Amino acid sequence: TQLLEQSPQFLSIQEGENLTVYCNSSSVFSSLQWYRQEPGEGPVLLVTVVTGGEVKKLKRLTFQFGDARKDSSLHITAAQPGDTGLYLCAGGETSGSRLTFGEGTQLTVNP
Amino acid sequence: GAGVSQSPSNKVTEKGKDVELRCDPISGHTALYWYRQSLGQGLEFLIYFQGNSAPDKSGLPSDRFSAERTGGSVSTLTIQRTQQEDSAVYLCASSLRTGDQPQHFGDGTRLSIL
Repeated sequence: TQLLEQSPQFLSIQEGENLTVYCNSSSVFSSLQWYRQEPGEGPVLLVTVVTGGEVKKLKRLTFQFGDARKDSSLHITAAQPGDTGLYLCAGGETSGSRLTFGEGTQLTVNP
Repeated sequence: GAGVSQSPSNKVTEKGKDVELRCDPISGHTALYWYRQSLGQGLEFLIYFQGNSAPDKSGLPSDRFSAERTGGSVSTLTIQRTQQEDSAVYLCASSLRTGDQPQHFGDGTRLSIL
């Protein structure tokens, strides 16, 4: 069974600060997805990375896939209260198959 | 609406009863996934419908769980003889192509077993 560990589990910061969330595994994944989930709603896909070493930027969010495709990070610059939510990483074993989800990082950005 | 629709949004039932959860995917999406999310935990894969191919049922936790997808569109997840450990949020997702990972999630059905 492939496992994904996210850290930290909880993160509370002030508006304007930077933060990084980590997603680590001992297994290799063919792709890595990041989702954000708000209370009472389903996860929303933010990005998919598929190439080792790949970096993708989405406004103030930067996503990186490790060279060995075992780990990933999400960096947020100048966090805003609207960034508050549960951030989930998920690894894909093969195209179109099940995803293995991490347990998530609950981020709170205080105004 | 244009998104994935799930019903009911909340379901409370007694232990031992059967429940049926419904998912309406985005029109034209060929891939449909069911996951469940327990409090404080990540999403757990249940089943994956991949177009006309046989579904991947490897995540169903027991034979009390079953799912169907009729006409390549609506899907129902049925749990028979519910147990308290079945309490969770059941999430459905769809994707345009069978080769895609889950892209669009519904808001889930919160199932509570008394």
